[in-house]
Amino acid sequence: ETGVTQSPTHLIKTRGQQVTLRCSSQSGHNTVSWYQQALGQGPQFIFQYYREEENGRGNFPPRFSGLQFPNYSSELNVNALELDDSALYLCASSLYGGGVGVYTFGSGTRLTVV
Amino acid sequence: AQRVTQPEKLLSVFKGAPVELKCNYSYSGSPELFWYVQYSRQRLQLLLRHISRESIKGFTADLNKGETSFHLKKPFAQEEDSAMYYCALSLPAGGTSYGKLTFGQGTILTVHP
Repeated sequence: ETGVTQSPTHLIKTRGQQVTLRCSSQSGHNTVSWYQQALGQGPQFIFQYYREEENGRGNFPPRFSGLQFPNYSSELNVNALELDDSALYLCASSLYGGGVGVYTFGSGTRLTVV
Repeated sequence: AQRVTQPEKLLSVFKGAPVELKCNYSYSGSPELFWYVQYSRQRLQLLLRHISRESIKGFTADLNKGETSFHLKKPFAQEEDSAMYYCALSLPAGGTSYGKLTFGQGTILTVHP
């Protein structure tokens, strides 16, 4: 059984650029959630995908968007990067109906915007 | 909106001493509460859920709806318990935010030998 895999592990981008982060779900999981974790803070919910559709969204602007693919892997896209987007981005997978709040987290992608 | 507060950013105890990590939440309904833990150089992982009423690695947590608290306790701390602990809340079924976790800021627990 594989866990949640995220790529890349680290990334440096310039303000105004666009970035795509990738996540492979744990085997058997069909729901993917993305979280942003700023330094010294707890993770903040960005959105969740189930059946390739957005299934809940946190307080993030539309320039944060995502995709879920038929194999349940997912992408997080951020357009027009701002300095405050610098953070650790966590992907978490779960089985819909398999227990609320029971997530398997990836190691994260550290994004630095300069 | 729901909120989770962990009042202690840092907590230090000696091995064998009791430990309590505090968590308070604000939500008028009946949320589901969790403790997640992140050991050094490891991923964030679920420690326990209030709905399971279980003890994991000697830790227990009781949901007190009157005080809106979900404190994590262990009677005898071990050095391997040193980690970052996050309290998290999920709203009950039926809403668009179902399954979304709201995390506290975390408490770094250090257990000294």
